[in-house]
Amino acid sequence: AQSVTQLGSHVSVSEGALVLLRCNYSSSVPPYLFWYVQYPNQGLQLLLKYTSAATLVKGINGFEAEFKKSETSFHLTKPSAHMSDAAEYFCAVSDTGGGNKLTFGTGTQLKVEL
Amino acid sequence: NAGVMQNPRHLVRRRGQEARLRCSPMKGHSHVYWYRQLPEEGLKFMVYLQKENIIDESGMPKERFSAEFPKEGPSILRIQQVVRGDSAAYFCASSPRGTRITDTQYFGPGTRLTVL
Repeated sequence: AQSVTQLGSHVSVSEGALVLLRCNYSSSVPPYLFWYVQYPNQGLQLLLKYTSAATLVKGINGFEAEFKKSETSFHLTKPSAHMSDAAEYFCAVSDTGGGNKLTFGTGTQLKVEL
Repeated sequence: NAGVMQNPRHLVRRRGQEARLRCSPMKGHSHVYWYRQLPEEGLKFMVYLQKENIIDESGMPKERFSAEFPKEGPSILRIQQVVRGDSAAYFCASSPRGTRITDTQYFGPGTRLTVL
């Protein structure tokens, strides 16, 4: 079964600094990976997804993620943090066994400080 | 194009009561997923439905929980005889089809259930 691990439940960065949120996956087959963002008391919004095309995936709001098979990683980055990026971020992997239910990591709360 | 709608947004029940959570998928979407988010945890898959069919309920507790997605109307997640451990945020997601694992799931705002 597929799974994802997010390292660091809380990350704090200064406004304008690099954002790096870590996600490692475990899968016996080529995975399909997603990053979602959740603002307080709201649903999840898709930031980007990897579907075995380009290994560097660009998403909304200036975020991107790189699929690295050798490291089994799919880290999320943004060159310059903005206050509005403060939210919880979830990495997820799609079940390749039929249907496409998502398995989520435990989330990383991003705090952006002035 | 309206997004995924869920109601109510907040629901308070006493132990032993029933909770009914509704989800209207995006227009044109015929696949619905329910997830549960416990405090300080990520989302956990519960059930996957198409119109009038339950496709995968491997994440549903065996007792007290049921889900349906009728031909007409919203999908319903029903929790009978709620207990305090059912307190969580319940999210619904929809996609246009479920046969392609790359299909994006669009999430609703969630229903936050509190059991007193």
